[in-house]
Amino acid sequence: QKEVEQNSGPLSVPEGAIASLNCTYSDRVSQSFFWYRQYSGKSPELIMSIYSNGDKEDGRFTAQLNKASQYVSLLIRDSQPSDSATYLCAPQRDTGRRALTFGSGTRLQVQP
Amino acid sequence: GAVVSQHPSWVICKSGTSVKIECRSLDFQATTMFWYRQFPKQSLMLMATSNEGSKATYEQGVEKDKFLINHASLTLSTLTVTSAHPEDSSFYICSAPPASGSDEQFFGPGTRLTVL
Repeated sequence: QKEVEQNSGPLSVPEGAIASLNCTYSDRVSQSFFWYRQYSGKSPELIMSIYSNGDKEDGRFTAQLNKASQYVSLLIRDSQPSDSATYLCAPQRDTGRRALTFGSGTRLQVQP
Repeated sequence: GAVVSQHPSWVICKSGTSVKIECRSLDFQATTMFWYRQFPKQSLMLMATSNEGSKATYEQGVEKDKFLINHASLTLSTLTVTSAHPEDSSFYICSAPPASGSDEQFFGPGTRLTVL
């Protein structure tokens, strides 16, 4: 079992729709969870962080965390073509070291 | 957010040569920096943790004698790929969490290495 699993996609949604990105992780010790967006040829940029069970909203983005199910998701409302990118889920595996283990990422395509 | 820079942004070198990549935290101090590698269509894989004033810790399978890491100050870590080979061609990205406070990491823009 991979430490972090994401559907590679591509996930294709029409402009204005809601994109739902899912991630499961195996390390029960994980305490912090990050969603990064990576455009082709660029380094990741932080979209959302979530630490507690439940939902966290920031603009068009909502992160959802369920530690019991070892599941974290990212919802993007009113998807825009500029949201087309690869989204990486990254649980923080070791608070002391603060290193990240990345999932393989889900490629999102927002169709105009 | 905090800014991390990398230099160079891309480099092409001949097989057998060494290449040094710099990672700088521009507006904060970082006692720890992380080096990742990303091959095409794959995710980022942690290579090593760079610790200011002490030896780096390497992930399993990463050769410490091939990937030399030096973290000489609180704002600079360098990765030297020694005796580079075509299979070392990759996108190298560093990241740094601020020394105090947040768990968030800030990524450099990456360095594209091509070994001929």
